[in-house]
Amino acid sequence: LAKTTQPISMDSYEGQEVNITCSHNNIATNDYITWYQQFPSQGPRFIIQGYKTKVTNEVASLFIPADRKSSTLSLPRVSLSDTAVYYCLVGGWGSYIPTFGRGTSLIVHP
Amino acid sequence: NAGVMQNPRHLVRRRGQEARLRCSPMKGHSHVYWYRQLPEEGLKFMVYLQKENIIDESGMPKERFSAEFPKEGPSILRIQQVVRGDSAAYFCASSPDRTTEAFFGQGTRLTVV
Repeated sequence: LAKTTQPISMDSYEGQEVNITCSHNNIATNDYITWYQQFPSQGPRFIIQGYKTKVTNEVASLFIPADRKSSTLSLPRVSLSDTAVYYCLVGGWGSYIPTFGRGTSLIVHP
Repeated sequence: NAGVMQNPRHLVRRRGQEARLRCSPMKGHSHVYWYRQLPEEGLKFMVYLQKENIIDESGMPKERFSAEFPKEGPSILRIQQVVRGDSAAYFCASSPDRTTEAFFGQGTRLTVV
């Protein structure tokens, strides 16, 4: 199973862009990259998923270089409500089980 | 379309009692996953089920824990003879066949006293 490495914590300020990078050096050919957000006392919430290049939705963008050994979640103009833990997962639901690491604890300051 | 429903949200059990956690997947989802989260830690995979079948239980403790996903009704995670170390948040996720994202419920917080 592909292992992921993320920064343990990050700090930002309201209105800034936040980029969280995840390393997954042994990603397999059929693996997708998925990011989840988790608030205290809640279940993880799906943010975005991609396979290669760039994916954008109403919440975030996901940048994946050609070698797919890393990915970057980009949150534009963060607000206080974006304070949460962000998890990068590599794998495919339904085929084998992606593993959650410790995630990145993002704190957004006023 | 309702999300993944877990109940109860909070469960208190005395040591030695049984805990039964229920998970109703999203409509049309036939894959269910259970995870456990200890305070200040990430989610640990426990078991992956499809209707009436356990596909992967490599994360499940060998004793006292069992899971099922019957043809009708919710998936059940059962913990027999609970101990204080079982206190945690238990999350269920579901996905449709052969897709690459899963949706999580709000979890059941088990407290063993």
